[in-house]
Amino acid sequence: QVTLKESGPVLVKPTETLTLTCTVSGFSLSNVKMGVSWIRQPPGKALEWLAHIFANDGKSYNTSLKSRLTISKDTSKSQVVLTMTKMDPVDTATYYCARIKNYFDPSGYYYYFDYWGQGTLVTVSS
Amino acid sequence: DIQMTQSPSSLSASVGDRVTITCQASQGITNYLNWYQQKPGKAPKLLIYGASNLETGVPSRFSGSGSGTDFTFTISGLQPEDIATYYCQQYDNLPPTFGGGTKVEIK
Repeated sequence: QVTLKESGPVLVKPTETLTLTCTVSGFSLSNVKMGVSWIRQPPGKALEWLAHIFANDGKSYNTSLKSRLTISKDTSKSQVVLTMTKMDPVDTATYYCARIKNYFDPSGYYYYFDYWGQGTLVTVSS
Repeated sequence: DIQMTQSPSSLSASVGDRVTITCQASQGITNYLNWYQQKPGKAPKLLIYGASNLETGVPSRFSGSGSGTDFTFTISGLQPEDIATYYCQQYDNLPPTFGGGTKVEIK
């Protein structure tokens, strides 16, 4: 049974650094066909992809937030960590981690988020 | 970044109606497109991957089609439990990007 669970502070102050942890079970972070992404959703707004990391430690970041984001993983602990610096009230959102399935087969190339955590609401306020 | 434009942003339909949502990419993305359903207060759920492949366990009334820049998501017979917001997401280029969402309500 695949599960992902986000943890971290519910409230951060402006200018502070946010650290979120995604703890996964039911699959290994060393599986080359899988990765983990962070995705956020401000209240009442659309989904926004933030970053991903794969078994080979390959990483990618949201273009406009790249300078503020760092993603890392600890395979032995089954954890993926996202840090976001210089938090601002506009960063108030529900933050999700999601498993990525990423593979080629004879019918094509696939990259999709097949399992999601429940999400954690982070509020940025003084 | 590739921009994904969904339309309409919201719709209201009756139970049993056929519902169609479109998603347009700002450049060609082959068939590298996924669809998700998000119910209020819940995490998104994968419905369709690779533009037209139904995820395991998803009812067959959901379907997707399209390639290049224009894609369609269809519910063939709207059910009360389909009330949700639906998102498309491209993966042709990094970063992956989502559409703005389509909120589906019952008339």
